[in-house]
Amino acid sequence: AQKVTQAQTEISVVEKEDVTLDCVYETRDTTYYLFWYKQPPSGELVFLIRRNSFDEQNEISGRYSWNFQKSTSSFNFTITASQVVDSAVYFCALSEAGGSSNTGKLIFGQGTTLQVKP
Amino acid sequence: EPEVTQTPSHQVTQMGQEVILRCVPISNHLYFYWYRQILGQKVEFLVSFYNNEISEKSEIFDDQFSVERPDGSNFTLKIRSTKLEDSAMYFCASSPWSPYEQYFGPGTRLTVT
Repeated sequence: AQKVTQAQTEISVVEKEDVTLDCVYETRDTTYYLFWYKQPPSGELVFLIRRNSFDEQNEISGRYSWNFQKSTSSFNFTITASQVVDSAVYFCALSEAGGSSNTGKLIFGQGTTLQVKP
Repeated sequence: EPEVTQTPSHQVTQMGQEVILRCVPISNHLYFYWYRQILGQKVEFLVSFYNNEISEKSEIFDDQFSVERPDGSNFTLKIRSTKLEDSAMYFCASSPWSPYEQYFGPGTRLTVT
């Protein structure tokens, strides 16, 4: 069964602190994609990153970095030197790509609410 | 930059009424989706649509729901007889191929009274 778990419901940090958002997934497919989306207070869903199951290389984009580890089925997201504008709900999502599952549907985790205080 | 648009931004309707939520996906995209998010909860998949037919639907997407791509640009979600529990934010999304990142519209907040 496909499932995404974000165990951290809410995280509160002070500006300039580093913060890591955890994501653990379950899938039987060997080919799948993992995503992170940001939902700011305005409500829209903003795409941050896509990773396929064959690419375990970590990625860095400015203050954002992602750590994908197949051995632990985790795809964690770190924000370095957090800013108030990073305050949002962050969703991890999974899309299976094998066989009849290739419709692209996203299975979302429960989301982690990040509050960055000045 | 191309974006997905949705109308209306907020719809209030009475229980039992029909509603149609409208979406204009990004023009060269081929895969279309509807998701919903009940307030404070996670985003849930409703339906995927490709090549003018439903490719997958969730358990939520029962006979009260239908989708249509009536022309080359619009993608609609119809709820025939709304229930109180249909109150949620409904997001439309599109992608150029599957699986790939999906680009979401701003959402339609549906309130059923």
